[in-house]
Amino acid sequence: EVQLVESGGGLVQPGRSLKLSCAASGFTFSNYYMAWVRQAPKKGLEWVATISTSGSRTYYPDSVKGRFTISRDNAKSSLYLQMNSLKSEDTATYYCARDHGFDYWGQGVMVTVSS
Amino acid sequence: DIQMTQSPSSLPASLGDRVTITCRASQDIGNYLRWFQQKPGKSPRLMIYGATNLAAGVPSRFSGSRSGSDYSLTISSLESEDMADYYCLQSKESPYTFGAGTKLELK
Repeated sequence: EVQLVESGGGLVQPGRSLKLSCAASGFTFSNYYMAWVRQAPKKGLEWVATISTSGSRTYYPDSVKGRFTISRDNAKSSLYLQMNSLKSEDTATYYCARDHGFDYWGQGVMVTVSS
Repeated sequence: DIQMTQSPSSLPASLGDRVTITCRASQDIGNYLRWFQQKPGKSPRLMIYGATNLAAGVPSRFSGSRSGSDYSLTISSLESEDMADYYCLQSKESPYTFGAGTKLELK
């Protein structure tokens, strides 16, 4: 059974950093592109980042480019999102998803950016 | 960036109704279009991929279609468990973009 479990969320002050993790199981992690998608409270979905199977290629929207970094450790079947210079508008639930058509999603982790 | 214009934003409907939600792409995305269902407090669930293909485990009352740059999700006979938010997503090119969402609710 495919499982994606996010962790690392919480309350953080504006301008600070936070790193999210996603533990994958039930499939060969190294064979799949992976992604992060977020959802601000009561708002729609926003794609945040995608990483290739080897980690050599990464993709971001302008809203997070230069502040967020997606990475992976295939040996640990883990995906990460390093978030720097956080802003209040980054407050959201962050989902880890398999970027193979976004066919599997984690349960999400909440990140609140507030002083 | 490719814009996905989703309509309607809210759709009141009755059980047994046939309902359709539409997304219009601002540029050619071919069939790189997916539909997701999201219930309150839950993660999104893939419903349709490749514009017209039913994802695994999705009831056959759901279907996807394409007419030019317009993509539609249709539920042939609405059931109570279908009340949810629905989103389209284009994955033709980065940045991937979602539609703004449609809230399907009981009339």
